[in-house]
Amino acid sequence: DAGVIQSPRHEVTEMGQEVTLRCKPISGHDYLFWYRQTMMRGLELLIYFNNNVPIDDSGMPEDRFSAKMPNASFSTLKIQPSEPRDSAVYFCASSRSGVPSYEQYFGPGTRLTVT
Amino acid sequence: AQSVAQPEDQVNVAEGNPLTVKCTYSVSGNPYLFWYVQYPNRGLQFLLKYITGDNLVKGSYGFEAEFNKSQTSFHLKKPSALVSDSALYFCAFSLRGGATNKLIFGTGTLLAVQP
Repeated sequence: DAGVIQSPRHEVTEMGQEVTLRCKPISGHDYLFWYRQTMMRGLELLIYFNNNVPIDDSGMPEDRFSAKMPNASFSTLKIQPSEPRDSAVYFCASSRSGVPSYEQYFGPGTRLTVT
Repeated sequence: AQSVAQPEDQVNVAEGNPLTVKCTYSVSGNPYLFWYVQYPNRGLQFLLKYITGDNLVKGSYGFEAEFNKSQTSFHLKKPSALVSDSALYFCAFSLRGGATNKLIFGTGTLLAVQP
């Protein structure tokens, strides 16, 4: 099993540009989570999906952030326009549906730098 | 609000000595409890979890955790620390009987093992 796959691993962009982060969950996992990690705020849950449907997006910082999951094997997190304070490591994680005791599996993360 | 607390930002221990990373929870009912580890520039990795049964849970890399209901604690332990154990450790919980697989994470504890 390849695990959770994220791309790109590193992204450097200028303020105002659109950024798209991508995630492929583990096959058979019906939950997908997007997290952001910074030194100041620690690990934050941004949004999560179940069966491709967004369940809770209360962690999305503002309207500049959007996430989609068009099918069971792909999700995107988009920031438009990007700002320097968006610089962080963004993680995607997946989990098996219907089993709250089932652990989440994390991808390697995308390190975003907005200049 | 339901939460987990990791009271120590950093724990220092000499190689070969036993280590403990503390976690307490404030959750109604009996939650599922987890420990994750994050090595530098990597995603979080699942270490172990408590669901039910034996209060001492064994996990990866020789780690174990003790569930203590009366003290609402789930401390992570290892009998003999290795330099390679140096990493960021997160405690987390999910709700038993909950409708989602959402995890609530603590703020993390940096473990530094000196040679």
